[in-house]
Amino acid sequence: GAVVSQHPSRVICKSGTSVKIECRSLDFQATTMFWYRQFPKQSLMLMATSNEGSKATYEQGVEKDKFLINHASLTLSTLTVTSAHPEDSSFYICSALAGGAGDTQYFGPGTRLTVL
Amino acid sequence: AQSVTQPDIHITVSEGASLELRCNYSYGATPYLFWYVQSPGQGLQLLLKYFSGDTLVQGIKGFEAEFKRSQSSFNLRKPSVHWSDAAEYFCAVGLTQGGKLIFGQGTELSVKP
Repeated sequence: GAVVSQHPSRVICKSGTSVKIECRSLDFQATTMFWYRQFPKQSLMLMATSNEGSKATYEQGVEKDKFLINHASLTLSTLTVTSAHPEDSSFYICSALAGGAGDTQYFGPGTRLTVL
Repeated sequence: AQSVTQPDIHITVSEGASLELRCNYSYGATPYLFWYVQSPGQGLQLLLKYFSGDTLVQGIKGFEAEFKRSQSSFNLRKPSVHWSDAAEYFCAVGLTQGGKLIFGQGTELSVKP
């Protein structure tokens, strides 16, 4: 149980285009999902907290107009990187809160974004 | 500010040897504590967690961790390491139930034959 999927697993796009990444909780409902960014050989940096039916809460320094988050259902959150540039290339990982009290984050497999 | 420290960036152990990965946190109260493992190019898998109660917690894959309040530590241990344990290990702290996590820098584990 507590499986989280992400799609796509890998994406390459041209500079200036937008890319959408999906995060799904497959066997549980998640009112809260989180989006992280991870650079090579580094830890995870929280970008935003996504709550179903409400606006996402962004961490300091994260551009909310560039990284659009939508949590339209209890099993799906999406991250759209708008007007992507090479510096946006990174590994993006989502997580979803599961458990009776929503106390544990379960992580997706990640999405490797490369912007040319 | 709250922080999580994993002092060892890289550890190498021989297969069959015991393992201890260190984690210290800075927070006034007892946080929610987690250990995750990440294989290359993959997401994170939960190994174990501590919220309250018995300070020695058992996890998957033969791992255990001990919470020591006096030392603000939550070290991960395994009595006998397998080659498949080679991966990156992250300690994480949650300040509220269901809240965001603060991650340590990670410890890369290599296993020698």
